[in-house]
Amino acid sequence: KQEVTQIPAALSVPEGENLVLNCSFTDSAIYNLQWFRQDPGKGLTSLLLIQSSQREQTSGRLNASLDKSSGRSTLYIAASQPGDSATYLCAVIGGGADGLTFGKGTHLIIQP
Amino acid sequence: NAGVTQTPKFRVLKTGQSMTLLCAQDMNHEYMYWYRQDPGMGLRLIHYSVGEGTTAKGEVPDGYNVSRLKKQNFLLGLESAAPSQTSVYFCASSWTGPNYGYTFGSGTRLTVV
Repeated sequence: KQEVTQIPAALSVPEGENLVLNCSFTDSAIYNLQWFRQDPGKGLTSLLLIQSSQREQTSGRLNASLDKSSGRSTLYIAASQPGDSATYLCAVIGGGADGLTFGKGTHLIIQP
Repeated sequence: NAGVTQTPKFRVLKTGQSMTLLCAQDMNHEYMYWYRQDPGMGLRLIHYSVGEGTTAKGEVPDGYNVSRLKKQNFLLGLESAAPSQTSVYFCASSWTGPNYGYTFGSGTRLTVV
């Protein structure tokens, strides 16, 4: 059974810092990996989707990398802002149709 | 705006009552999913559908039923609600094929008292 772990569980940093969120998964036979953002009491917003043949994806200040062989992905946030405060969820997509397997998330607070 | 719409957004039920949560998507996606999100447990798959008229069980299906009579709609039913079903429920949809990602609705917060 696929297991997804996100480290750290919580992170608080001053505004302006560059930071890295980590995601690891136990079964490297994944199809894609997707990073989401969730604001308190809200739904999930897709940030980046990395296909298994890709090594990384970028969107603005966000960069996500994927190393299937080692079962790891990282989300890099450059020049963090208070508006980046949210919970960040990593999810892997297996070869079947039975959806995403999620990590429990990293709760990020950016201090003004 | 295109996306996934969930109704209702909030609901309080008494133990033993029944209700149906509706999920509608206008992206012509084949696959649809129901998840529940609980503190410390993360998101867990309840049921899913790979096309109109199909349903399948996920990780935590007990106490729930689903139907996919139309491609754009996926219904989640609770026949006899229990306090353990207090949760936030999310619907998601996706394409099939090599480039798919998932689109989520905004959630339904259900409290069973």
